[in-house]
Amino acid sequence: IAGITQAPTSQILAAGRRMTLRCTQDMRHNAMYWYRQDLGLGLRLIHYSNTAGTTGKGEVPDGYSVSRANTDDFPLTLASAVPSQTSVYFCASSDTNRGTYNEQFFGPGTRLTVL
Amino acid sequence: GQNIDQPTEMTATEGAIVQINCTYQTSGFNGLFWYQQHAGEAPTFLSYNVLDGLEEKGRFSSFLSRSKGYSYLLLKELQMKDSASYLCAVVDSNYQLIWGAGTKLIIKP
Repeated sequence: IAGITQAPTSQILAAGRRMTLRCTQDMRHNAMYWYRQDLGLGLRLIHYSNTAGTTGKGEVPDGYSVSRANTDDFPLTLASAVPSQTSVYFCASSDTNRGTYNEQFFGPGTRLTVL
Repeated sequence: GQNIDQPTEMTATEGAIVQINCTYQTSGFNGLFWYQQHAGEAPTFLSYNVLDGLEEKGRFSSFLSRSKGYSYLLLKELQMKDSASYLCAVVDSNYQLIWGAGTKLIIKP
């Protein structure tokens, strides 16, 4: 693995179903993020984690949950998907311990369609 | 509230120069990023400014004025591969990134 991977690449999901989007990084970054990107709205932060074992809510957390059991993995779960969660989801990571700006590195994204 | 403004779309000619503006109103300021995003791909880092002035990196330059809440990205010698969206993002007082909606740049031959 080099950088950040996300799975699946794309998914069509029936409303009401549960879905977990996976994200793994091999850069040993302490911080990880989940964004959704919708046309005309830019990237919006769903949840974040500053270090393994801790998580926080972003701008649009409702309907989503995350966990950070270890440094590398940061899965995002939709407990009961709704059509408004149709979006492109990006996972990102950064090293915020370097004392410099926290450039974020992005995974390739998951395109999710909820019908 | 927090707000980042960028033009929605711009068109430029191959070989020319284009300036993409970004204005911001955020709770605190700890730096400003520019990212490039090709259609269907992830954003990739272009530049970071935290002090006023111009940062030059090859064909791309980024300028910041903190007193005016203003930044621009300058692209010189445009190439067709520069057709992409350009995202402005500000690091707020909580060290979270606040993103603009992005500017879609169309390059014509």
